[in-house]
Amino acid sequence: GAVVSQHPSRVICKSGTSVKIECRSLDFQATTMFWYRQFPKQSLMLMATSNEGSKATYEQGVEKDKFLINHASLTLSTLTVTSAHPEDSSFYICSALGDRDRGRYSNQPQHFGDGTRLSIL
Amino acid sequence: GEDVEQSLFLSVREGDSSVINCTYTDSSSTYLYWYKQEPGAGLQLLTYIFSNMDMKQDQRLTVLLNKKDKHLSLRIADTQTGDSAIYFCAEGENRDDKIIFGKGTRLHILP
Repeated sequence: GAVVSQHPSRVICKSGTSVKIECRSLDFQATTMFWYRQFPKQSLMLMATSNEGSKATYEQGVEKDKFLINHASLTLSTLTVTSAHPEDSSFYICSALGDRDRGRYSNQPQHFGDGTRLSIL
Repeated sequence: GEDVEQSLFLSVREGDSSVINCTYTDSSSTYLYWYKQEPGAGLQLLTYIFSNMDMKQDQRLTVLLNKKDKHLSLRIADTQTGDSAIYFCAEGENRDDKIIFGKGTRLHILP
């Protein structure tokens, strides 16, 4: 079964709206979560790395004020697209990495959520 | 910089074997992955191989790694219609590191 839950799966909203996407690790603690973005027929590009209890690390070219990331607990990270515009329409996917030192996923690579398709009108 | 290249499209007859090829540039890559993405869905980790391995087999899937040439391949035996998807090759320097993805190979199954 799924080990990473992402919600919502699909969002359609008007330009100027802020949208929050949640990424939850199920039955394991994830000290690190990653947020990726995928344009149609393109590959996934890393946007930022989210570490629990600290500020996210953003990739070059990603606006931190536009894409707010909060990793407030060991099982939840959120991505908020602020004042979204049509060019922000994309498929956003998160992944979670089990704690290196403990738990059933301690030696496994990142597990991905099912993604959120964001459409801004 | 880091780069992962793979062909964009592969067409295979049902029952035949599919071979998807990939090359990467980062010699520090430790983890090499194959992910599957069905239409409108997220990523499913199919398999991964460590850079100190040459081959890994898991049921119908066989991964071959030529570290010298930085070449990775995924073979799917007895290809079925359910295998129709986009397959992403990806690499990471270590378990905690970001994953660099190729552009994906769209596998089309012919009847």
